[in-house]
Amino acid sequence: AQSVTQLDSQVPVFEEAPVELRCNYSSSVSVYLFWYVQYPNQGLQLLLKYLSGSTLVKGINGFEAEFNKSQTSFHLRKPSVHISDTAEYFCAVSDAGGTSYGKLTFGQGTILTVHP
Amino acid sequence: DAGVIQSPRHEVTEMGQEVTLRCKPISGHDYLFWYRQTMMRGLELLIYFNNNVPIDDSGMPEDRFSAKMPNASFSTLKIQPSEPRDSAVYFCASSSRGPYGYTFGSGTRLTVV
Repeated sequence: AQSVTQLDSQVPVFEEAPVELRCNYSSSVSVYLFWYVQYPNQGLQLLLKYLSGSTLVKGINGFEAEFNKSQTSFHLRKPSVHISDTAEYFCAVSDAGGTSYGKLTFGQGTILTVHP
Repeated sequence: DAGVIQSPRHEVTEMGQEVTLRCKPISGHDYLFWYRQTMMRGLELLIYFNNNVPIDDSGMPEDRFSAKMPNASFSTLKIQPSEPRDSAVYFCASSSRGPYGYTFGSGTRLTVV
């Protein structure tokens, strides 16, 4: 079974500063990895995904993430944040095949707060 | 495309009452997922369907919870009887490409008093 650990429950940052949200996963098989964003009172929206190929993945709103297989990590980064990036961010993992295919396991979430 | 539609958006009910949450997935999607979100437990997968067939219901908390998908365009999650600890936001999501095409609904905020 897979598991996901988001290492920070809250990350405060000033506007235009860089940010990194950390995610580690555990799985005995090949995985797909995802980052989702949730704005208040809304559902989750996909930011980016890693399926295969290049380990650096670019997503929407200027976010990117790097898959590191040896460290089992998938950290999310943005070089310069905006007030509008304030939201909760979720890392998620799925088996790349097998009986659990199709099922996403989410981390506990990281609340990013961008201050002016 | 209207996206994944959940109803109601908010539900307040008394302990012991039956609650039914509804979900209409995106047309053509063959996977449907029910998640529960709470502060304590985060996002938990309750059950998911593929082509209307339940694949994994190991996340359903207990027998008070049941889910059905009678056809490709409709699913329900029922709680009977409801308890205060069931208070949470319940999300439905659908996908046409397994794990990497999830679209979430806006959720149903359930409060059991």
